Amino acid sequence: SYELTQPPSVSVSPGQTARITCSGDALPKQYAYWYQQKPGQAPVLVIYKDSERPSGIPERFSGSSSGTTVTLTISGVQAEDEADYYCQSADSSGTLFGGGTKLTVL
Amino acid sequence: QVQLVQSGAEVKKPGASVKVSCKASGYTFTGYYMHWVRQAPGQGLEWMGWINPNSGGTNYAQKFQGRVTMTRDTSISTAYMELSRLRSDDTAVYYCARDAEEWELQIILSYWGQGTLVTVSS
Repeated sequence: SYELTQPPSVSVSPGQTARITCSGDALPKQYAYWYQQKPGQAPVLVIYKDSERPSGIPERFSGSSSGTTVTLTISGVQAEDEADYYCQSADSSGTLFGGGTKLTVL
Repeated sequence: QVQLVQSGAEVKKPGASVKVSCKASGYTFTGYYMHWVRQAPGQGLEWMGWINPNSGGTNYAQKFQGRVTMTRDTSISTAYMELSRLRSDDTAVYYCARDAEEWELQIILSYWGQGTLVTVSS
C-alpha cells in the first residue's frame, strides 16, 4: 500500500532553519499539504499545493517539491514552532497522512 | 468566521456504536465537503472519509468501509460520523475538517473542529 514517509524527529536551535521531508512514490503527480499540530490542539494547515501558504501563516513557513520528496522549510525557527508536522497527499481512495515529525526547538 | 463545534467526549463499550456531531457556522454548510480524521493517543492522523453536505454523497477509506456512516442535517448545518462495532483500538480523538474550496473536492483541510475523544473500554 502507498505510504508517505517522514523522519520521526527534527531538532534545531532558535533562529536556525528546519527542514522536514516527506517521501512518497506518487508525490511527483500529486500535491502535498502540511499541517502543524501543537499538543492538545487540532491540526492547522500551513502549506497547500506543495508551496502555497494560507493567509495568516507566517512567511517563515515554505514548501517545495523535488521528485518523490516534498520539504517543509521553517526559516528562523521560533520556540512557538515546536510541534508535530504532518504531510498529506492523495491516494487511490482519498488521502493519507505521513507518520508525522516532531520538531524540537532546542 | 468559520467554526466547527463538535459534540462532547464519549465512553463506549466494545461492540457498541458512537455518533459524533460537528456543527458548522460562518459559511454555507452545503457548499463545502466535510471530512473526518481520527488520531489515536500518541499516534498520527488517519483520514476516515468525506461527505458532500449538498448531495449527501460519501466516500469512506477502505479501512472503515462497513463500519462508518457519515450523514448530515442541512437544516441545522451539522455533519455526523457514526462508527459501529467499536473496538479498543478505536479509542481516539475524532475531528471533522472542512475542505478548502466551495463546491470542489480537494481534500485540503482548511478548518478543523476541536476534536471529540471517544474511549472504548469494557
